[in-house]
Parts: sequence; C-alpha cells; structure tokens
Amino acid sequence: QKEVEQNSGPLSVPEGAIASLNCTYSDRGSQSFFWYRQYSGKSPELIMFIYSNGDKEDGRFTAQLNKASQYVSLLIRDSQPSDSATYLCAASGGGADGLTFGKGTHLIIQP
Amino acid sequence: ETGVTQTPRHLVMGMTNKKSLKCEQHLGHNAMYWYKQSAKKPLELMFVYSLEERVENNSVPSRFSPECPNSSHLFLHLHTLQPEDSALYLCASSPQAGWDQPQHFGDGTRLSIL
Repeated sequence: QKEVEQNSGPLSVPEGAIASLNCTYSDRGSQSFFWYRQYSGKSPELIMFIYSNGDKEDGRFTAQLNKASQYVSLLIRDSQPSDSATYLCAASGGGADGLTFGKGTHLIIQP
Repeated sequence: ETGVTQTPRHLVMGMTNKKSLKCEQHLGHNAMYWYKQSAKKPLELMFVYSLEERVENNSVPSRFSPECPNSSHLFLHLHTLQPEDSALYLCASSPQAGWDQPQHFGDGTRLSIL
C-alpha cells in the first residue's frame, strides 16, 4: 500500500518568514514528487516537481528530495498572505500509474 | 478556454439516478485521469487513460463507469450511487502517462447524493 504522509496542520507562519512543509512516502519505488497548492473550494494547482536528490528552486519556492530518507519538503521564502492554502504532496512510481497524494498541510500566513 | 474543463460544476442526484460527468482538456495531452476527493481523506486515483485506453482501475465500484472517446474527452458515468460517493470529482491530464509527468487538474464536479 503506497502512502504519503503529511502533517495536516494548521501551520502558522508570519508574513515574510520561510514556510517549511514536509512529506514522507512509503514506497521506495517512487521516482517523482509533486507539490500542489489548493485553495478552499478550488482545484489543485501544480507548484513544483522534483525527480533527483537535492534541491530545486523556482522563484520563492524550493523543493528538496532525500530518497534515502524517503523525505520531500517544500520551502516558501518571503511568505505572503496569498500563500495561505492547503499544500498537497504527491508521489509517482514507475509505470503508467497516477499520483498518490497525502492529505495535505493547511498553511496560514499571518499578516 | 482554460486547460482542463469539467462540467457540471455541481450535481445533486438521487441514488437511483443515472448521470455523467464530463471532462475536456485543451492542452494536447495524451493521458487523462479521474480522482475522488472526500473530506478528511487524500485524493484517490480512480482511473487512468492513455491514448483512449484504460491503463489503470484502482478497484473502483462498478457503479462508476469511465469512458474516453478520444484523448481530449473523458466521461464518468454514474449509476445507483451511495451517499458515501458524495465528494469532489477531479479530472486531470498529463502529456503522457508515466511517472515523470506532471498532472494538471480541472476545477472539479461537486457531487451530492441524496
């Protein structure tokens, strides 16, 4: 049974600070990892994806992957109130399967 | 046109009704997916289609019947649903089916079973 675990939160971060979101996965065969942002009542929106160990940066966002520890994280620098949302971590293994999602972390950026 | 369009946005139906959800993608993708999102639970993959061929069916009850007439359109036919089937149903697409393909989601259909 493939599982992706996230702390449901809420995670409260002051505006301008770094928000750190974490995710672990159970299937060692997972090869790619995705972070989605979901506002209340809206669909998930792709933020970043990462395949290789290490860091991947895109603007204010940095994804980090450690396959040995089966750990993925998302850092949001200079957090803005508009970053307040639920962040979903998803993993994909080999083959033509879909994504396995975590329950999401509810992030609140306090002005 | 937005990338992935789902209709209707909201649907209320009785347990004996038959209805269909529609998804259309304008991204030129070859893979399409159905997911179910219930309160307090992670998104659950239901079906995967690659080039109109079903490649994955995650033990979904037969009261849900998918159809993919071409790579741009995906349907989910509903029949004799149960109250626990009330959820947000999300359609997604990706360039190809595969582990390295980011998926793009539609806005979903909010389904309520009376």
